[in-house]
Amino acid sequence: GAVVSQHPSRVICKSGTSVKIECRSLDFQATTMFWYRQFPKQSLMLMATSNEGSKATYEQGVEKDKFLINHASLTLSTLTVTSAHPEDSSFYICSASPNPPSYGYTFGSGTRLTVV
Amino acid sequence: AQTVTQSQPEMSVQEAETVTLSCTYDTSENNYYLFWYKQPPSRQMILVIRQEAYKQQNATENRFSVNFQKAAKSFSLKISDSQLGDTAMYFCAFTSVKSKSTFGDGTTLTVKP
Repeated sequence: GAVVSQHPSRVICKSGTSVKIECRSLDFQATTMFWYRQFPKQSLMLMATSNEGSKATYEQGVEKDKFLINHASLTLSTLTVTSAHPEDSSFYICSASPNPPSYGYTFGSGTRLTVV
Repeated sequence: AQTVTQSQPEMSVQEAETVTLSCTYDTSENNYYLFWYKQPPSRQMILVIRQEAYKQQNATENRFSVNFQKAAKSFSLKISDSQLGDTAMYFCAFTSVKSKSTFGDGTTLTVKP
């Protein structure tokens, strides 16, 4: 149980375009999901907390207008990278839990974004 | 704010041997949860083991066990009978009802044949 699906796994886009990443909880409902960014051989950096039915909470230094988060249902959160630039190239991961925090968090498989 | 420290950036172990990864944390909370996550080369994060702070008994999951020392704020992971598939980056993490997950910087473990 507790499966989180993330799509796409890899995406290449042109500079200036937008990219949407989906995160779905397949067998549980998640009122909260988390979005992380990870650079090679580094730890996870929390970008934002996605809240179902309300605005996301962004970490300090994360541009809200660049990284749009929508949590329209109890099983789906999306992260849209708007007007992407090469510096946005990274590995993005989502996570959720059926019973936070005691259960621990299940992570999506990640999305490798390359902006050219 | 919580902090999690993993002092070993890289470690290696021979196949079938035992290795211990270190983790210390700092918090003023009394009720929290600690986790070890594994991230293999595929980059899929996988939960290895969890520990509730209010439980004195150390958690075990097959070849994986922890040494939880609450007073010392220490939470080490022991991997017994290491296998090639254990090669991964390991993250120690702290979570509580009051706070979001905080991850350590990770330890890259290489199991050598």
